[in-house]
Amino acid sequence: KNQVEQSPQSLIILEGKNCTLQCNYTVSPFSNLRWYKQDTGRGPVSLTIMTFSENTKSNGRYTATLDADTKQSSLHITASQLSDSASYICVVSATTGANNLFFGTGTRLTVIP
Amino acid sequence: DAGVIQSPRHEVTEMGQEVTLRCKPISGHDYLFWYRQTMMRGLELLIYFNNNVPIDDSGMPEDRFSAKMPNASFSTLKIQPSEPRDSAVYFCASSLPGQGKSYTFGSGTRLTVV
Repeated sequence: KNQVEQSPQSLIILEGKNCTLQCNYTVSPFSNLRWYKQDTGRGPVSLTIMTFSENTKSNGRYTATLDADTKQSSLHITASQLSDSASYICVVSATTGANNLFFGTGTRLTVIP
Repeated sequence: DAGVIQSPRHEVTEMGQEVTLRCKPISGHDYLFWYRQTMMRGLELLIYFNNNVPIDDSGMPEDRFSAKMPNASFSTLKIQPSEPRDSAVYFCASSLPGQGKSYTFGSGTRLTVV
């Protein structure tokens, strides 16, 4: 069964600290993995997208990693800011069809001053 | 580009009433998706269109749900009759073709059925 699981479910960190969010998946055949940031009351916004051959991709203070062998991905946030408070959603795409997206339920990150 | 535009932003309606949600995708995007998001289940795909044609509606929960895309710049999601369990945030997203293309989501419509 194709599934995407994220951990932790929620996280609270102090401003300026680093954090790492985890995503494990069982989607097959794998096409790509995306991390989205969703601010409260807004739609998800793409942070990174990685294909099978990519291990690391950065977008500013966000760095995503992918281990296609263990089917795990992480999103590392460096020097967190209050504006990083949001839900982070891991989305894995299978190779066939435009609708073969499998969503994690997200990690709710709260950055406090 | 104004992005994907959804309306209304919030909708409160009584059980049994008809609800229509609207979406304007990004110009030039061939794909349009309707998603529903709840705390319990996260984001779920309801239906998607390619070049205005519905391709897969297997995610539509019941016959009470219907979606149309009369042209490349407009789509609607209708619920008739609405029920309290339909309360959720409904997102529309659009994208260009290709597996590597990123989806652009609208800001969503928060639906509350009382």
